[in-house]
Amino acid sequence: EPEVTQTPSHQVTQMGQEVILRCVPISNHLYFYWYRQILGQKVEFLVSFYNNEISEKSEIFDDQFSVERPDGSNFTLKIRSTKLEDSAMYFCATLRGAYNSPLHFGNGTRLTVT
Amino acid sequence: QQPVQSPQAVILREGEDAVINCSSSKALYSVHWYRQKHGEAPVFLMILLKGGEQKGHDKISASFNEKKQQSSLYLTASQLSYSGTYFCGTEGEAAGNKLTFGGGTRVLVKP
Repeated sequence: EPEVTQTPSHQVTQMGQEVILRCVPISNHLYFYWYRQILGQKVEFLVSFYNNEISEKSEIFDDQFSVERPDGSNFTLKIRSTKLEDSAMYFCATLRGAYNSPLHFGNGTRLTVT
Repeated sequence: QQPVQSPQAVILREGEDAVINCSSSKALYSVHWYRQKHGEAPVFLMILLKGGEQKGHDKISASFNEKKQQSSLYLTASQLSYSGTYFCGTEGEAAGNKLTFGGGTRVLVKP
């Protein structure tokens, strides 16, 4: 079965550094999302992306965050200047179509900001 | 606005039943249920659409009461493999909307 692939699986960075998290969506999926989960807490929506543009974003997704799909395959989340509170598991998720479609999650990238 | 799940945690003996509830203050297009094992990604269980349908996945089933904007997940004759955190995700009226997840219900099934 096709999978959503995320890299790296674990990223350690220093406060203030930029990080890029990468996701390869399932090939025929149209909607892409980033979620994050702070350890032991709920899964929080960050941003949705459709037709090469952001369709919705949460309050968490401030100016430090950006997403793009530069080459039509990789879907990336960039954090420009990481803060300690950005430490979390970041999940990429994709959706095939608008109706009756389950969200497929990647295995996540654990980001640790020191 | 995120859906509210209850209870926050439940401990079961193998073979026992449990119900997890998910309620929303907003009109819902659908409710999704996911299970997450520790250190892993959430895994899709089922989607329920408005119309009050019920669905099943092995001995896990769910219902969706559109009028009450509630969904319930039923764990029947629980197995050890049912342990994990269960999240409901709600989707609003516009298709392709993001899923907003509830706070999760931790389920521990003991032998």
